[in-house]
Amino acid sequence: EVQLVQSGAEVKKPGESLKISCKGSGYTFVDHWIGWVRQMPGKGLEWMGIIYPVDFDTRYSPSFEGQVIISVDKSVNTAYLQWTTLKASDTAVYYCARLTSYCTGGTCYYFDYWGQGTLVTVSS
Amino acid sequence: AIQLTQSPSSLSASVGDRVTITCRASQGVGRALAWYQQRPGKPPGLLMYDVSTLEGGVPSRFSGSGSGTDFTLTISSLQPEDSATYYCQQFNKYPWTFGQGTKVEVK
Repeated sequence: EVQLVQSGAEVKKPGESLKISCKGSGYTFVDHWIGWVRQMPGKGLEWMGIIYPVDFDTRYSPSFEGQVIISVDKSVNTAYLQWTTLKASDTAVYYCARLTSYCTGGTCYYFDYWGQGTLVTVSS
Repeated sequence: AIQLTQSPSSLSASVGDRVTITCRASQGVGRALAWYQQRPGKPPGLLMYDVSTLEGGVPSRFSGSGSGTDFTLTISSLQPEDSATYYCQQFNKYPWTFGQGTKVEVK
């Protein structure tokens, strides 16, 4: 069974750093890109970026580039999302998701498995 | 970035009704469009990809159509468990983007 299990909820203060995780199991981890999606309280989904575990190739949304760091450790089948300086506006649920390709072209993708979400609360 | 605009933002319909949600892209996305369902407090779940290919296990009352810039998600006979928010997502061009969501309430 494919599973993405994310780390638990976090409560942090503005200015602090944070790294949350997403561990994949039940499939060959290096065969799929992993993506991150933000959902602010009561709001919609925002695509943050993706990473390929084989060569660490990473694509960021311009909205998040420079604000977060996406990384991966294929030895432990885990992807990470990291902040060096949290802001109150980073308060949200963050989801990781597995990317699957259904053709050999460059745009044939979908997110088929999702983690349970990690709630990050940043408050003084 | 490609903007996806869903309409309506919310709707309320009765069990058995036919429901249609529209997703309009600011530029063509080919067939690189997926739909997700998100129930409150849960992660999104894939409904379909490639505009109209149903993910395994998704009931056949869900269908998708469209191409280029205009896409629709149709629920042929609304059921109580379809109460959720629905999102479209394009994979045609970075940054990948989601529609703002359509909240479906079942009366």
